[in-house]
Amino acid sequence: QKEVEQNSGPLSVPEGAIASLNCTYSDRGSQSFFWYRQYSGKSPELIMSIYSNGDKEDGRFTAQLNKASQYVSLLIRDSQPSDSATYLCAVIYFSVGGTSYGKLTFGQGTILTVHP
Amino acid sequence: DAMVIQNPRYQVTQFGKPVTLSCSQTLNHNVMYWYQQKSSQAPKLLFHYYDKDFNNEADTPDNFQSRRPNTSFCFLDIRSPGLGDAAMYLCATSSRTGSPQHFGDGTRLSIL
Repeated sequence: QKEVEQNSGPLSVPEGAIASLNCTYSDRGSQSFFWYRQYSGKSPELIMSIYSNGDKEDGRFTAQLNKASQYVSLLIRDSQPSDSATYLCAVIYFSVGGTSYGKLTFGQGTILTVHP
Repeated sequence: DAMVIQNPRYQVTQFGKPVTLSCSQTLNHNVMYWYQQKSSQAPKLLFHYYDKDFNNEADTPDNFQSRRPNTSFCFLDIRSPGLGDAAMYLCATSSRTGSPQHFGDGTRLSIL
């Protein structure tokens, strides 16, 4: 069973701080990594995708991938109350065999609260 | 804007009464997915279509069926909804297997 693990939180940070969200995954055959943001009662919204080792920046968001450690993270700089949501880490596995090939596997999500 | 549209946003049905949820997309994506998401849980994949090729997850109950009459539309049929089927149902699309998935706004299903 392919797994994606996240700390469920809640993670509470003050406005303007850096929020750091972490995710580990179980299979080295993973190739694609995504972060989704989900507001309460809404559907997941794709905010970052990352495919190779290193950092990828998009505005206030930075995704970091370390395939050797099987670790992906999301940093949110200058956190705003509007960033308060559940952040879902998702991984697509491309390892040969098994039933998870090409499918998006989600972590349980980390609840982020940004307080004024 | 190109998007994934789900109808209705809210659906209430009676225990055991069949219900159909719909999804349409203007992205012209080959792959369409249906997920079930219960409160405080991650989305759970029910099935997906790659073009007309249907792929059912092993643990998806037989009570759940799907149809994709053309590229743009996909339907989720629940033949005899039980109380445990109350959830948010999410439709997503991607251009191909492994590419980012884009979600519709979801349909929240309640069972009376």
